[in-house]
Amino acid sequence: GAGVSQSPRYKVAKRGQDVALRCDPISGHVSLFWYQQALGQGPEFLTYFQNEAQLDKSGLPSDRFFAERPEGSVSTLKIQRTQQEDSAVYLCASSPLTNEKLFFGSGTQLSVL
Amino acid sequence: GIQVEQSPPDLILQEGANSTLRCNFSDSVNNLQWFHQNPWGQLINLFYIPSGTKQNGRLSATTVATERYSLLYISSSQTTDSGVYFCAVGRDSNYQLIWGAGTKLIIKP
Repeated sequence: GAGVSQSPRYKVAKRGQDVALRCDPISGHVSLFWYQQALGQGPEFLTYFQNEAQLDKSGLPSDRFFAERPEGSVSTLKIQRTQQEDSAVYLCASSPLTNEKLFFGSGTQLSVL
Repeated sequence: GIQVEQSPPDLILQEGANSTLRCNFSDSVNNLQWFHQNPWGQLINLFYIPSGTKQNGRLSATTVATERYSLLYISSSQTTDSGVYFCAVGRDSNYQLIWGAGTKLIIKP
């Protein structure tokens, strides 16, 4: 596609619900990253995929967070049993290789009530 | 780990003014990128510039890797330049880039 596409743009969840956030990277991009951004802060790294392999998940805040990229293209970030502290903007980014220009999607704004 | 400091934290200018944003980093890097986050939250990559100078329209950037800083120049500012400018650095890979706290720029008409 022309750019990184994320859906939904906004998600409101009740505390305890599971949510799934989708990222469709730029076609052919090997590297895919998930970030979390709190209001007024810079993005914070969550996890990194090279093709379908999840090479680092050290930034995931808890075991309620799970990400996958089964065919090396579309990725899903799943949050189980959402908590209020999970409220943030979740950003997906991709790059052709690991050390090239990074392109971001518009993000999913998650609000947990 | 690498520390990244951006200055100034906030900048308010009139339309048409020029500005210089600075990014200092504490260790050697070979990956440095500048981003603009607009008021709607979209992060746009302005430059991939681990060293040297690049220009794109009214924007240019210079990184002096040996002295551990990078500068982003905005000339003839427009209201659409408003937003937060982030510098992110790393070694080799986009993997675990270290982000600065950003410079919030407001351009007044």
